[in-house]
Amino acid sequence: GEDVEQSLFLSVREGDSSVINCTYTDSSSTYLYWYKQEPGAGLQLLTYIFSNMDMKQDQRLTVLLNKKDKHLSLRIADTQTGDSAIYFCADRSYNTDKLIFGTGTRLQVFP
Amino acid sequence: GAGVSQSPSNKVTEKGKDVELRCDPISGHTALYWYRQSLGQGLEFLIYFQGNSAPDKSGLPSDRFSAERTGGSVSTLTIQRTQQEDSAVYLCASSRDKNQPQHFGDGTRLSIL
Repeated sequence: GEDVEQSLFLSVREGDSSVINCTYTDSSSTYLYWYKQEPGAGLQLLTYIFSNMDMKQDQRLTVLLNKKDKHLSLRIADTQTGDSAIYFCADRSYNTDKLIFGTGTRLQVFP
Repeated sequence: GAGVSQSPSNKVTEKGKDVELRCDPISGHTALYWYRQSLGQGLEFLIYFQGNSAPDKSGLPSDRFSAERTGGSVSTLTIQRTQQEDSAVYLCASSRDKNQPQHFGDGTRLSIL
């Protein structure tokens, strides 16, 4: 089946930029999503990108998609302590209804 | 409410008992999904509803798991004869239709003793 992979941890200083990376295997991907999960909570949709786009910007968030290499990244500018959470990348394939999630990247922001 | 609502937020039960988990989707959302999040398996898809029908049940792990949706709204996930490996967080999501982004509830944390 299709697979989505992420690195497990990222640690950044407050005020710096964070870049969270994701790779996927699906050749029929239509949409790719970034979700944020804080302790004890569900998944909060942060942003998503259609597979024929290569970039999307939304305030402090920038998503880059390299479809050839099947690589997705999420850049968070001016990272704050409130950004500390687990970030999940998810893929939705053509003609399917479910999301395939990565393992999640735990972002720790220190002062 | 404005978001997806799940109840109970926590459930502790003994092995062998049946449990029912409830999901109230965002009003007007026709698509509803159940996922399971566990330490060993990450986030896994269980079942998808479009209206009251479930065209994709491929993620249900065994016949002890079933789900229904009534009135195109509330859904119930039932686990019969619970086992310890059923311990996980069960997440529900809904979307305006299957092509729109999925919005998640806060989940039900299920613990089987």
